[in-house]
Amino acid sequence: DSGVTQTPKHLITATGQRVTLRCSPRSGDLSVYWYQQSLDQGLQFLIQYYNGEERAKGNILERFSAQQFPDLHSELNLSSLELGDSALYFCASSGGTPRGTEAFFGQGTRLTVV
Amino acid sequence: AQSVTQLDSQVPVFEEAPVELRCNYSSSVSVYLFWYVQYPNQGLQLLLKYLSGSTLVKGINGFEAEFNKSQTSFHLRKPSVHISDTAEYFCAVRSTGGGNKLTFGTGTQLKVEL
Repeated sequence: DSGVTQTPKHLITATGQRVTLRCSPRSGDLSVYWYQQSLDQGLQFLIQYYNGEERAKGNILERFSAQQFPDLHSELNLSSLELGDSALYFCASSGGTPRGTEAFFGQGTRLTVV
Repeated sequence: AQSVTQLDSQVPVFEEAPVELRCNYSSSVSVYLFWYVQYPNQGLQLLLKYLSGSTLVKGINGFEAEFNKSQTSFHLRKPSVHISDTAEYFCAVRSTGGGNKLTFGTGTQLKVEL
């Protein structure tokens, strides 16, 4: 158990809909990262938050947004869903210090868009 | 920017045989290096990491990796594999500077056979 909790584990929704994925980081970790894992793109970094502020942005679509709340949990919002958004979405957390800090991953949320 | 190449998408090996999973990286800055393992329907678990110091690093489950700066490689090895090592293995890098986002390779599926 990594200590990172993601909910829900599975999500099935229709095209055009909006969903919210939730992540609770390990206790004490200030950084949260979101990754997308798909068969064609592999593991892609989406976005990072550190202590409530956006820290880095990767290949995140404009239809996607995220935030980190004062209690440090994070949500990834995916809207106007398309079939190609079907993927495994991982959240990871780390202490946020530059050195010696690895990311701990949650179990992921499997999103299926039908 | 960094990139990671895992040339072998699949590696079949018999139980108790040795295995090497190859990883090469490209970066214009200093990097930290990681190997993660993903078991079916699971999240990513850290196997080992190289931050500095000895170029041979040992991880969990009997795995080790050697950092070779001149060849920009970080190959993962295990002297004797077990059926339970069947999983997908990902090599990842991140810069030693600010920001902790990981850049992943495309993964190597290790299949251990009896």
